Amino acid sequence: GIQVEQSPPDLILQEGANSTLRCNFSDSVNNLQWFHQNPWGQLINLFYIPSGTKQNGRLSATTVATERYSLLYISSSQTTDSGVYFCAVGYQAGTALIFGKGTTLSVSS
Amino acid sequence: EAQVTQNPRYLITVTGKKLTVTCSQNMNHEYMSWYRQDPGLGLRQIYYSMNVEVTDKGDVPEGYKVSRKEKRNFPLILESPSPNQTSLYFCASTKQGATNEKLFFGSGTQLSVL
Repeated sequence: GIQVEQSPPDLILQEGANSTLRCNFSDSVNNLQWFHQNPWGQLINLFYIPSGTKQNGRLSATTVATERYSLLYISSSQTTDSGVYFCAVGYQAGTALIFGKGTTLSVSS
Repeated sequence: EAQVTQNPRYLITVTGKKLTVTCSQNMNHEYMSWYRQDPGLGLRQIYYSMNVEVTDKGDVPEGYKVSRKEKRNFPLILESPSPNQTSLYFCASTKQGATNEKLFFGSGTQLSVL
C-alpha cells in the first residue's frame, strides 16, 4: 500500500518563527489533506490540496503530485499552533485516507 | 453550522458492558467512517459506510459493529468491550466517496475500558 512519511517528527519553535513541514508519499494519489490535532485532541481539516498551492492566513500548503510530496508552511507561529500536524492521502480505488504519523509542533512564548 | 457530532466526549466503562458511541452529521454526506487513534499506531480505520445500509470493514474491525439506517447517523457499537479497545475514537464524513473529498472529523471520544 501507499506509504506516507512526515518530517520532521518533532519541531520546537519560538513564537514568531516560521516552519516547513513535509509529507512524502510513495505512489500516485488523487487526494491529499493536512490536519491539525490540537492539544484537546480535536482534528481540524486545514487544507484539501491534491495539487497546487493554497493559502489560509498564516498557513499555506503546496503539493507537487508528480514528485510525490507536499509542504505545509506556518509563518509567524503562535502558541495556538501547537499540536500534531497530519498529512493524509487517498487514491482512486481506496476506501480510506492513509495517514502519516504526524509532526508534533511545540511553540513557546 | 456544518459539523460532525460525537457523543459522549469521554467514557469510562468496564469489560463486557455493551456501549454505543453516537455520530451524527448535518451536511447530507454520503460517506461516514470510524477511526481509532493509538500512540505509536496513528489513525486506523475501523468501519466505513458509503451510503445508507452500506457498510464495510476497515483495517481494524474486530470487536466493533456499526449500522447506517439513516444518512445522518453512524453509531459505533462495542458489544463486549475489552481493555485493548481503550483508545481515542473519531467519526468522520465526506460528501461522497472515501478518498476524493474533504474529510470532516467529529470532536473525538476518549474511551477507557477497565
